[in-house]
This record gives sequence, C-alpha cells and structure tokens, in this order.
Amino acid sequence: QKEVEQNSGPLSVPEGAIASLNCTYSDRVSQSFFWYRQYSGKSPELIMSIYSNGDKEDGRFTAQLNKASQYVSLLIRDSQPSDSATYLCAVVMEYGNKLVFGAGTILRVKS
Amino acid sequence: DTGVSQNPRHKITKRGQNVTFRCDPISEHNRLYWYRQTLGQGPEFLTYFQNEAQLEKSRLLSDRFSAERPKGSFSTLEIQRTEQGDSAMYLCASSFPVAGPTDTQYFGPGTRLTVL
Repeated sequence: QKEVEQNSGPLSVPEGAIASLNCTYSDRVSQSFFWYRQYSGKSPELIMSIYSNGDKEDGRFTAQLNKASQYVSLLIRDSQPSDSATYLCAVVMEYGNKLVFGAGTILRVKS
Repeated sequence: DTGVSQNPRHKITKRGQNVTFRCDPISEHNRLYWYRQTLGQGPEFLTYFQNEAQLEKSRLLSDRFSAERPKGSFSTLEIQRTEQGDSAMYLCASSFPVAGPTDTQYFGPGTRLTVL
C-alpha cells in the first residue's frame, strides 16, 4: 500500500462546475496535510494546508480533512480552464518535516 | 524575486559525469529540502537541512549523491557518476519554523536533469 494515494485521473469537469479531488493516507498519526498545484513542466505551488478535522475554505478552494477515515479532499468551485493542472496531495507522516506526496490527479476543465 | 531559486534550470550530461545543482532558499528560511520528481510521480524526499545541519536523508540518496549547506544559506546537491536513472526534476524547497504542527514548504522552479 502506498503511503499517500490519489486517483491519477484525468478528472474532466466542465467550466463552472465543482471539481472534487481525493486523497487517502496510510499513517494514522499524520498531522499536516497540503494540496499543491503543478502545471506541466513547472514546480509545485501551494494551494492550501489543513491540520484539523473539518473544512477549510480559501476563495474557490475548500480542503476537507477526516482523520478517522484517513482522508483529505480538495473542492474547487466554479472551475476555470486555468485550473487545469496536476493536483498533488502531500502529508507529513509524523512529527517531522518531510512531505510524502501522492502521484497526483490530473484535472482538466473544459470550456 | 524573493522566492526559492535554483540553478541551473536545465542540465544535460553524459552518463558517468558529475553534476552539481544549487539552491538559494527564501532569505529568512532556515530549513531547506531536496526532492526528486520523475514523470507521472509526485516529488520524493531526498534530504533536509536545518541551518547547516543535514538532519535527515532518504534511502533514495545513494552514496553517489551528496548535499551540503555549508553556511546555512544556499545548498548544493551533487550527483557523481550519473546514470540514466538519475534523469528527473530536482526540486528544492524552503521553510521557516512556525508554532503550528509543521511549517509550509515553498518550492523553487527545479533543475531538470537529462542523462544521456
């Protein structure tokens, strides 16, 4: 079992729809969770961090964390073609600093 | 530009040659990380510095790889006797300790290595 798992996609949504990206992780003691966006040929760009169970909203983005289910998700409202990218889920597995990444989900927003 | 910078951005080398990459973190960040990313995969952790001390190294970091951060500012990653399997994007990230569970890492643009 991989430590951080994501559906590779591609996930295709029409412009203006809600895109839902999911991530599961294996280590129950994980404390910190991050979503990064990566355009083709570019480096990861931080979108959001989340540490507590529940929802965290930032503009069109909402991160959701459920530690009991070891599940974290990212919702993108009013999806735009410019949101088309690979979305990487990253987890800090224990009290440390190393990020463990999933393989990423490719999102395509069609206009 | 006050973000993380990396040089060179691209490097093409022949198998067996040595290469060295440089990373300059955000100026007030005392933590620096190296990751490697291959096509279709997420970044994989290689090593981590706090100031000049190398605190953690991945098992991925074979003895052909060495990283330094001599004055706690910029860092270098050297790969000796490169192999075709070393072809990847090498990413540097930096962070500053915060009071929360963990600090946030910000990535540089990466160095893309191609080994022929």
